[in-house]
Amino acid sequence: SQQGEEDPQALSIQEGENATMNCSYKTSINNLQWYRQNSGRGLVHLILIRSNEREKHSGRLRVTLDTSKKSSSLLITASRAADTASYFCATDHSGGSNYKLTFGKGTLLTVNP
Amino acid sequence: DTEVTQTPKHLVMGMTNKKSLKCEQHMGHRAMYWYKQKAKKPPELMFVYSYEKLSINESVPSRFSPECPNSSLLNLHLHALQPEDSALYLCASSLLLTGEQYFGPGTRLTVT
Repeated sequence: SQQGEEDPQALSIQEGENATMNCSYKTSINNLQWYRQNSGRGLVHLILIRSNEREKHSGRLRVTLDTSKKSSSLLITASRAADTASYFCATDHSGGSNYKLTFGKGTLLTVNP
Repeated sequence: DTEVTQTPKHLVMGMTNKKSLKCEQHMGHRAMYWYKQKAKKPPELMFVYSYEKLSINESVPSRFSPECPNSSLLNLHLHALQPEDSALYLCASSLLLTGEQYFGPGTRLTVT
């Protein structure tokens, strides 16, 4: 399966702490994306990192990509209770018209006030 | 307008019913997607449309029938569903067949 694997499956932290989630995948990618999903709702795109990039920042988010290890990490700094959600990595392996994203199993992040 | 809308929000249907899910976007996106998501699982791709043509069908049973009448609208027609089809159905769109996807809030479907 090309599906990404997030780790940990669940993470519980206190407000103000940093949260780190990891994603591993099996085959080469065009890009890797991170999405957030609040309980039972639609997904929100957070950040996209291309295969030739190693690090990207967006506000309190920092994403790294190591294509040699086929892994990525998402760091959320100074977490807030509103960051409580499931976080999914999604990998784009395809080319041409056969494009699709494959989502990992997700990390459930709980930020306690 | 950076929103993908989905109707209805909730749907309960019997196994002999026919119903449709609707998805709309006015961002000028040319790719649209249907995903199925079961509780505590990641979204699973069902269909991809590119420029109003079906480009991917992930071996979805024929009781699910997608339709893309125009570049802004995507429907999913449902017929003779099974209880195991109960799930959150998510629609998404992207500018082209790559890059970030914008998701709607989903339709929570219950098949009785």
